[in-house]
Amino acid sequence: NAGVTQTPKFQVLKTGQSMTLQCAQDMNHNSMYWYRQDPGMGLRLIYYSASEGTTDKGEVPNGYNVSRLNKREFSLRLESAAPSQTSVYFCASSGQGWLVSYEQFFGPGTRLTVL
Amino acid sequence: KNEVEQSPQNLTAQEGEFITINCSYSVGISALHWLQQHPGGGIVSLFMLSSGKKKHGRLIATINIQEKHSSLHITASHPRDSAVYICAVGRKEYGNKLVFGAGTILRVKS
Repeated sequence: NAGVTQTPKFQVLKTGQSMTLQCAQDMNHNSMYWYRQDPGMGLRLIYYSASEGTTDKGEVPNGYNVSRLNKREFSLRLESAAPSQTSVYFCASSGQGWLVSYEQFFGPGTRLTVL
Repeated sequence: KNEVEQSPQNLTAQEGEFITINCSYSVGISALHWLQQHPGGGIVSLFMLSSGKKKHGRLIATINIQEKHSSLHITASHPRDSAVYICAVGRKEYGNKLVFGAGTILRVKS
């Protein structure tokens, strides 16, 4: 099993360009997440999808859109990249929980630089 | 005030030392997670606990729900333990929506 995969690993964009970060998991998990990680700050949730067909905003959703294409895939789109979106992006997946918490499995990350 | 606070922010230890990293939180939780991130690497889940104590090899995690505090201990530390250790809590109302601490950077010198 590959676990959680992300593409690309690295990306440099110019301000105003758009791009889509891809994420896929092969663990049959219902829930998937997109986080960003910035120096000196904890991981922050951008969007999450509790189950196929649903998506919800997290803590820092502005400037991003997501698509839960099917149970396996969850993509993150930057429509018009800004330097403030320079960050490392992690995708994660887990079992589905409401009052309970499940272990989250993380992808290897995408290092994005916006010039 | 952040909902999840870790201390210390940075920690340097000699090989073989006993290490403790602390995590305090201020929200109601369903579980607390400890994660490890090696330099330039991905993030791996070490523990998920909602009460008591868990042990895996040289790593021990404890939680005190009443005091809203957890500790991660590393016994007989080794340079390969050098990494960022991250505490995260699953909120009570939606357990999978994690809130993360800023992380503790650990360096173990040989």
